[in-house]
Amino acid sequence: DVKVTQSSRYLVKRTGEKVFLECVQDMDHENMFWYRQDPGLGLRLIYFSYDVKMKEKGDIPEGYSVSREKKERFSLILESASTNQTSMYLCASRSPGGHNYGYTFGSGTRLTVV
Amino acid sequence: GENVEQHPSTLSVQEGDSAVIKCTYSDSASNYFPWYKQELGKRPQLIIDIRSNVGEKKDQRIAVTLNKTAKHFSLHITETQPEDSAVYFCAASIGGQGAQKLVFGQGTRLTINP
Repeated sequence: DVKVTQSSRYLVKRTGEKVFLECVQDMDHENMFWYRQDPGLGLRLIYFSYDVKMKEKGDIPEGYSVSREKKERFSLILESASTNQTSMYLCASRSPGGHNYGYTFGSGTRLTVV
Repeated sequence: GENVEQHPSTLSVQEGDSAVIKCTYSDSASNYFPWYKQELGKRPQLIIDIRSNVGEKKDQRIAVTLNKTAKHFSLHITETQPEDSAVYFCAASIGGQGAQKLVFGQGTRLTINP
């Protein structure tokens, strides 16, 4: 089974801090994604990456950036954390060449900004 | 861009009864429609999916139907059991196979009453 690992389950950060959320997958997937999950809003796409060093903005990229220097790792960066970025963050990966077109998700990082 | 609407937001059914969750999408180019189940504190897991060249797909107690003309698709769970209690998300794809991303609905919290 594909494993998608997010480095932290829970994080508490202060307003204005620079925050790094890390995601690693072990199945050589080309595509990786960062979503934000909020009650009543579902999952909203922040950024995605089709392959190494490639990145595209999703629907809500403001206040975030990403890095994909290696195929297995996709990092989400909050440049200056704000309280409205308190949320659950989910990383996902998929292989566009596979028969299973669905995503495999990580366990999520619940970020609280105080 | 693609917009996915999911209803109802909450659903409560008696154990053994059926549950139906409905989604509509806006982009007629969408061709892949997965459903995810998220149990409390866990990651979303793919439970069933359907491609646009198929009208219905079944897997034991769950089924998905797709009406391309009306741009809506539904999840059907029969003979519900307590372990079916979870949040369910529908999604629709946008982009080509190598660059596909998913747009999610808002989620439905399903509660199975014993």
